[in-house]
Amino acid sequence: ETGVTQSPTHLIKTRGQQVTLRCSSQSGHNTVSWYQQALGQGPQFIFQYYREEENGRGNFPPRFSGLQFPNYSSELNVNALELDDSALYLCASSSGGAYTQYFGPGTRLTVL
Amino acid sequence: LAKTTQPISMDSYEGQEVNITCSHNNIATNDYITWYQQFPSQGPRFIIQGYKTKVKNEVASLFIPADRKSSTLSLPRVSLSDTAVYYCLVGDRNSGNTPLVFGKGTRLSVIA
Repeated sequence: ETGVTQSPTHLIKTRGQQVTLRCSSQSGHNTVSWYQQALGQGPQFIFQYYREEENGRGNFPPRFSGLQFPNYSSELNVNALELDDSALYLCASSSGGAYTQYFGPGTRLTVL
Repeated sequence: LAKTTQPISMDSYEGQEVNITCSHNNIATNDYITWYQQFPSQGPRFIIQGYKTKVKNEVASLFIPADRKSSTLSLPRVSLSDTAVYYCLVGDRNSGNTPLVFGKGTRLSVIA
């Protein structure tokens, strides 16, 4: 059974640029959630995708957007990057939006 | 806003039992209590989940009193590799799209 994978592991961008982060869900899971974790803080919910549709969203602006593909993998897109977007971005998968979620290793984004 | 309160940090020596208590005064009838562990630069990992009384698995035990307003995660005989941040979460695990709401967690440092 393959766990949740994310790419890239690290990324450096400058303010105003756009970034795409990718996530492959655990085998058999059809729900993907994205979280942002700033240094020293707990992860904060961005949004969730279930069967290719957005299924809930946290308090993040529209420049944070996502996609889920038929194989349940997912992308997180962030436009017009700001310095405060520097964080660890975590993807978690689950089955049917279940409360128990399995996290990937994260992508460390640095915005200069 | 996190629905839980837990100590910011704890220290322990190797081989000791560690108990981390979490307060969740406003826990709802349908809410379960879930604990996650997070190592630096990794995603959170599910440890244990319970509704009431006691739950035990190969990693930890979870004690929940009758009023469910608090819970205690017990780690037996900790080792250096148990140094991590531990998060207590409450939420309705049977809801289709409940996001995980993390607080700042408890940073456990295990000393040789």
